[in-house]
Order: sequence, then C-alpha cells, then structure tokens
Amino acid sequence: NAGVTQTPKFQVLKTGQSMTLQCAQDMNHNSMYWYRQDPGMGLRLIYYSASEGTTDKGEVPNGYNVSRLNKREFSLRLESAAPSQTSVYFCASSEELRVGTEAFFGQGTRLTVV
Amino acid sequence: AQSVTQPDIHITVSEGASLELRCNYSYGATPYLFWYVQSPGQGLQLLLKYFSGDTLVQGIKGFEAEFKRSQSSFNLRKPSVHWSDAAEYFCAVGAAFNYGGSQGNLIFGKGTKLSVKP
Repeated sequence: NAGVTQTPKFQVLKTGQSMTLQCAQDMNHNSMYWYRQDPGMGLRLIYYSASEGTTDKGEVPNGYNVSRLNKREFSLRLESAAPSQTSVYFCASSEELRVGTEAFFGQGTRLTVV
Repeated sequence: AQSVTQPDIHITVSEGASLELRCNYSYGATPYLFWYVQSPGQGLQLLLKYFSGDTLVQGIKGFEAEFKRSQSSFNLRKPSVHWSDAAEYFCAVGAAFNYGGSQGNLIFGKGTKLSVKP
C-alpha cells in the first residue's frame, strides 16, 4: 500500500521557471493538502482541497496554484519560481476535512530555486 | 488564536537516557493533539494522538504523551532512547481555524530536532 506518493523527490529550478509537483493517494481520502517546510518554521499550509472539486487557500498561498485533478490526485504549480520558494514540499491526505482527522504524509519534494 | 509552541529547537540525549519533548498549545476548547516524527529525508509519521479519555496515551516505537489541561501541554516521553530515534518531532493540534475565511484543521509546531549521543 503506497499511501501518499509525491513526484519528483528533488528538483532544481532557475528563477522564473515553472513546474508542477504531483501528488497521489491510494487511501480513498476525500481531503488533500500541500505544506511547505522551512528551517525553524515548521510546516505551513499552502493550499488544501476538502473534497474533489474544491480547493482553498491556506496560510501561505502566494505564488502557487493547485488542481484537484480527481479524488486521488492533487497537484501544486509554481508559475514563476522565486528563490523564496526554495523549500521542502509535503503533500498529505486525510479521510475528510474534520477537526481531529489524522493526516498521512508523502515523503516530500526538495525544491531549490537558483 | 490557535497555536502550538515547542520551546526546544534542538535536544541532545545519550542513548539509553530518558527523553521528554515539550509541547504547549493555545486553543479555546479541548483540542485534538498529535505527535509526528520525521526521520531524515522522510515524510511525517504519526507517533500518537489524543482525542479524549485517558490523558496518558501510548504510541508507536515506545513513545507516550500526557495531556495536561491545566498546563495546556502535551509532552512526549520515552523511557530509554535508541539511536534510531534521532529525528525531528512535531507536535500538532487539530482545531478549526480560518485563513481569511477558508478553513483548515491542523496546526503544527516548529519542531524539535533530537540528536542521540552513543
């Protein structure tokens, strides 16, 4: 059982380039999330999708867009990458968007913008 | 506002010694509380969670945590640390909150990095 799968695991971009981070879960979860992790900052929520067909902004959405392609897949797009977006990105999923629901995490994508 | 504080950024303990990682939360009602562990280069794995009932909860890998309402704390403990426990530990609170009108459901502390000396 793969759980939450993210691709790619590593990526280097030049400033201004675009890219899409892919995430897929096989647990039939309704809700999915994108976080970024920066040293000393913990995890901050970028965007989330409560259910298929809906997306909402989190704490730090600027510079990102998301697509909930279907129930399994939730992608994160950087249209014009900036050095400030150098970070480790985690995708997560949960059964539903409900207080107390456990989140399951992917292994992360380490992104460097030069 | 809801928040989670992990006062210790980095802790070093000797292998075999006991461990306590601190977590304090701010939330108006009884929270749902979680501890996650992140091994180097890996994603986050749930260690344990507290919803209600017994305030001492047992988790995986020999960890336990105690919920103390009077202190707004949910500290993580392990009686004897192993070298494989070296990782970063995140406390999180499950709580309804808003980002400019949108709703979220999980707030993380900034993490405590654990190093284990042989």
